[in-house]
Amino acid sequence: EVQLVESGGGLVQPGRSLRLSCTASGFTFGDYAMSWVRQAPGKGLEWVGFIRSKAYGGTTEYAASVKGRFTISRDDSKSIAYLQMNSLKTEDTAVYYCTRASWFDPWGQGTLVTVSS
Amino acid sequence: DIVMTQTPLSLSVTPGQPASISCKSSQSLLHSDGKTYLYWYLQKPGQSPQLLIYEVSNRFSGVPDRFSGSGSGTDFTLKISRVEAEDVGVYYCMQSIQLPPTFGPGTKVDIK
Repeated sequence: EVQLVESGGGLVQPGRSLRLSCTASGFTFGDYAMSWVRQAPGKGLEWVGFIRSKAYGGTTEYAASVKGRFTISRDDSKSIAYLQMNSLKTEDTAVYYCTRASWFDPWGQGTLVTVSS
Repeated sequence: DIVMTQTPLSLSVTPGQPASISCKSSQSLLHSDGKTYLYWYLQKPGQSPQLLIYEVSNRFSGVPDRFSGSGSGTDFTLKISRVEAEDVGVYYCMQSIQLPPTFGPGTKVDIK
């Protein structure tokens, strides 16, 4: 079964950092791009960024709202994608999902990040 | 960024009746490779989104055939031929022809 499991969320103060992990199973992780999408409480979906597979350079793209603060990386040997979030703002409060490829399937269960003092 | 709009934003449907959701994009989603990069997702209450339709009209694996997608260019439609109780949730369209991928605001479907 193809599965994605996010972890690492929690309560963090504005200006601090947090790293989320997305652990994959059931497929050849290294063959796929991986994306992060977030959903603020009661709101819609917002793409955060993605990392291409090594075959396509392993490069990254980010939403303007997080560029320069967030970094996506991957460890294909462990089948994990990471979202390093620095200089967090209250508006970054959301459930963060990881998802696979450009067609966004499957999605993990999400991990809640709350940025508050 | 490409702006995605959806109508209606909410829909209350009697079980067994059809439902239709419109999605419009601010730019054409037809790529030079001939594909149109428009997707539909359903987020059931308390769950993560799930892929229903890819590239306008292709049902994803395991999606019931009562769901269908159509459209071209900038105008798209998701239809449910006979709504069932398990279809409640928020439906999102999304484009990925251009970075950043953008989602519509969502259409909340509930049962009368």
